[in-house]
Amino acid sequence: AQKITQTQPGMFVQEKEAVTLDCTYDTSDQSYGLFWYKQPSSGEMIFLIYQGSYDEQNATEGRYSLNFQKARKSANLVISASQLGDSAMYFCAMRDNRDTGRRALTFGSGTRLQVQP
Amino acid sequence: ETGVTQSPTHLIKTRGQQVTLRCSSQSGHNTVSWYQQALGQGPQFIFQYYREEENGRGNFPPRFSGLQFPNYSSELNVNALELDDSALYLCASSRRGGGLQETQYFGPGTRLLVL
Repeated sequence: AQKITQTQPGMFVQEKEAVTLDCTYDTSDQSYGLFWYKQPSSGEMIFLIYQGSYDEQNATEGRYSLNFQKARKSANLVISASQLGDSAMYFCAMRDNRDTGRRALTFGSGTRLQVQP
Repeated sequence: ETGVTQSPTHLIKTRGQQVTLRCSSQSGHNTVSWYQQALGQGPQFIFQYYREEENGRGNFPPRFSGLQFPNYSSELNVNALELDDSALYLCASSRRGGGLQETQYFGPGTRLLVL
């Protein structure tokens, strides 16, 4: 079974500063994918970034980067130069990438980020 | 915007009633997944449809059922509604066979309140 743990219920960051949101995972699978989603108060889940378990480089997408430490089973999201519009809930999720595996996402409990001016 | 649409946006039902939620997938996608998100929690997987067949199910009772149509749109049906069914229902579409990533793109959700 897969499990995602997000230990930070809430985080504050000053505008223009960087922030790291923690995510640890547990799985016995060798092939898996890790995702981060942003959920504003409107409710829609917005895809931010993806890291495959066999990817050697840490994923980056604009101001988002994923600090992937496979041995420690962590996949922390780093947001650089925070903006007021980054205030939202952030969810870490994982999925079994095997061909025969269930393609469902398993989500953590989320971290609420508030960016202060 | 992802191109995934859901209807209705909000719904109020009473206990025991039945409800149907609808989802149109993004162009080029062939898989639809449904999730339930209770207040203050992460989304929980309900089931997934691929090629019009259920392709995986989470820990939800049989009164949660679904359909996928030839145009890849989907419905989620819930019978005998219970108070605990009050939640945000999220639909996500993806393209199976398009590479390992198969990112799921979500719609805006349907907020269901059961009284």
